[in-house]
Amino acid sequence: RKEVEQDPGPFNVPEGATVAFNCTYSNSASQSFFWYRQDCRKEPKLLMSVYSSGNEDGRFTAQLNRASQYISLLIRDSKLSDSATYLCVVRSSASKIIFGSGTRLSIRP
Amino acid sequence: GAVVSQHPSRVICKSGTSVKIECRSLDFQATTMFWYRQFPKQSLMLMATSNEGSKATYEQGVEKDKFLINHASLTLSTLTVTSAHPEDSSFYICSARASSGHTEAFFGQGTRLTVV
Repeated sequence: RKEVEQDPGPFNVPEGATVAFNCTYSNSASQSFFWYRQDCRKEPKLLMSVYSSGNEDGRFTAQLNRASQYISLLIRDSKLSDSATYLCVVRSSASKIIFGSGTRLSIRP
Repeated sequence: GAVVSQHPSRVICKSGTSVKIECRSLDFQATTMFWYRQFPKQSLMLMATSNEGSKATYEQGVEKDKFLINHASLTLSTLTVTSAHPEDSSFYICSARASSGHTEAFFGQGTRLTVV
């Protein structure tokens, strides 16, 4: 079983739609969680950290469920510029940073 | 955010030669650096984790004698692909983390290696 698993997509949604991604992790001792965004042939960039109480940054909402070992990312009112691959990232207790395989999102006009 | 500089951004080398990739943290001291490899349309795969002044920890399936990692200072880590083969052609990305108290990692721009 992979340490971090994501639905690869692609998700193809119209502009203005709400879209949600989930990610599961296998190590219950994992300490920190993030969502990164990667545009084609570019390095990943931090989108937001994920806190236990859930957190929101504009149109983006991240949530963590430690009991079920999953994190989620919700994007509201999606824009064309949101098209990218979204990477779920988990820092384990051993301080390794592990990436999920990424979920491709394509927003159509 | 913090800046991590990776060099070169692109390199083409002949099969059998070695290639060195540098990763520098420009405005912070990186106690831990990570090296990833990404094949086309695939996810980032962690190759190894290096802590300054100690040997790198390699992930299962990554040959430590082929992918030499040196993290001699708090601002520089290098990855040397030795005796490169065409199947080593990939996108290599480093990331650096400031200290144990910081969980966010910052990424270099990546190096596209093509072995011909």
